[in-house]
Amino acid sequence: DAKTTQPPSMDCAEGRAANLPCNHSTISGNEYVYWYRQIHSQGPQYIIHGLKNNETNEMASLIITEDRKSSTLILPHATLRDTAVYYCIVRGIGGATNKLIFGTGTLLAVQP
Amino acid sequence: DARVTQTPRHKVTEMGQEVTMRCQPILGHNTVFWYRQTMMQGLELLAYFRNRAPLDDSGMPKDRFSAEMPDATLATLKIQPSEPRDSAVYFCASGRGQGAVGELFFGEGSRLTVL
Repeated sequence: DAKTTQPPSMDCAEGRAANLPCNHSTISGNEYVYWYRQIHSQGPQYIIHGLKNNETNEMASLIITEDRKSSTLILPHATLRDTAVYYCIVRGIGGATNKLIFGTGTLLAVQP
Repeated sequence: DARVTQTPRHKVTEMGQEVTMRCQPILGHNTVFWYRQTMMQGLELLAYFRNRAPLDDSGMPKDRFSAEMPDATLATLKIQPSEPRDSAVYFCASGRGQGAVGELFFGEGSRLTVL
């Protein structure tokens, strides 16, 4: 699995957009970018995933650069409940590459 | 609301005792993952099943850990004998499909303390 690099922590003001970066320079053509988050004491929660196009759902937007070497997760209007550790994961499909390997993530602290 | 169910939620035991953690995946899901989380190591993948067959258990200490899926509605993770270093939160997750692209659903975890 390709490795990812994320900043260990970030702050964001409540109501503002939170932009969480992720570098995955060794990603291969059939690997997807996934984002999960883990709120304290809970299991990880899926947010969004993409291959090469930008994606948006009710929780967030995912912007993937054209060369696919980095991506940004955008929470458009962060709330206090968005305080969590956010994990960027590169995941292949099929067989053993289907497994989800978590790194250390980014601790996002949303400030009132 | 479909969810992954894990039992027990909390377990305190003494070193040397056998511990069994159970996971009920979401109905219709055919992939099951076991993870362990500690402050020092973060989230570690222990084992991974698809259609009840183990695909990868390379992250699991083989001498004391075992993972099985006796049927499609139950996955178990057993530690025998348990040691203090096994203290952690153990998460189970399930998903759908072969080579599926999509989300994994995580349970709320089983917090194990080995004294």
